[in-house]
Amino acid sequence: KQEVTQIPAALSVPEGENLVLNCSFTDSAIYNLQWFRQDPGKGLTSLLLIQSSQREQTSGRLNASLDKSSGRSTLYIAASQPGDSATYLCAVRGNQGGKLIFGQGTELSVKP
Amino acid sequence: DGGITQSPKYLFRKEGQNVTLSCEQNLNHDAMYWYRQDPGQGLRLIYYSQIVNDFQKGDIAEGYSVSREKKESFPLTVTSAQKNPTAFYLCAISQGVNEQFFGPGTRLTVL
Repeated sequence: KQEVTQIPAALSVPEGENLVLNCSFTDSAIYNLQWFRQDPGKGLTSLLLIQSSQREQTSGRLNASLDKSSGRSTLYIAASQPGDSATYLCAVRGNQGGKLIFGQGTELSVKP
Repeated sequence: DGGITQSPKYLFRKEGQNVTLSCEQNLNHDAMYWYRQDPGQGLRLIYYSQIVNDFQKGDIAEGYSVSREKKESFPLTVTSAQKNPTAFYLCAISQGVNEQFFGPGTRLTVL
């Protein structure tokens, strides 16, 4: 059974710092991995989707990497801003095109 | 968002009452999903539908029902059999196994 873990559960950094959020999964037979952002009381916003054949994806200040063999993905945020404060979730989809399995998220706070 | 609407934003239910949450999309995506989010528990899949007139149970389907009569609509009914329905409910869509997009959510509270 696939399990997705995100550590730490919460992170506080000063504005301008580069940071890395971690996501690990127990079964490397995945189809793709998706990173989301969630603001309090809101729905999830898709940030990046990485297919199993890809090593990384970039969007603006965000870069997501995928290492299937070790069951790990990282989300790198460059030059963090207070507006980046939110909960970040990763989710993996199994090889059979099954459902998304979510981690519990990392709550990020960027202090001005 | 951007073509996924959920209504109402807030919903209050009395004990023993059935309530229906609406999810509509205009992006012509085939698959639609319902998730429940509780503090400290992450997202859990309730039901999903990959085509019209077909749907499958997720991990926590007990006490819920759905229908998929139209491609653009996937309503969720929370029945009186759901003993702890207070939660944040999220609808999502995808085109096959590609990127999944979420609606703004409905917060249901039992009075």
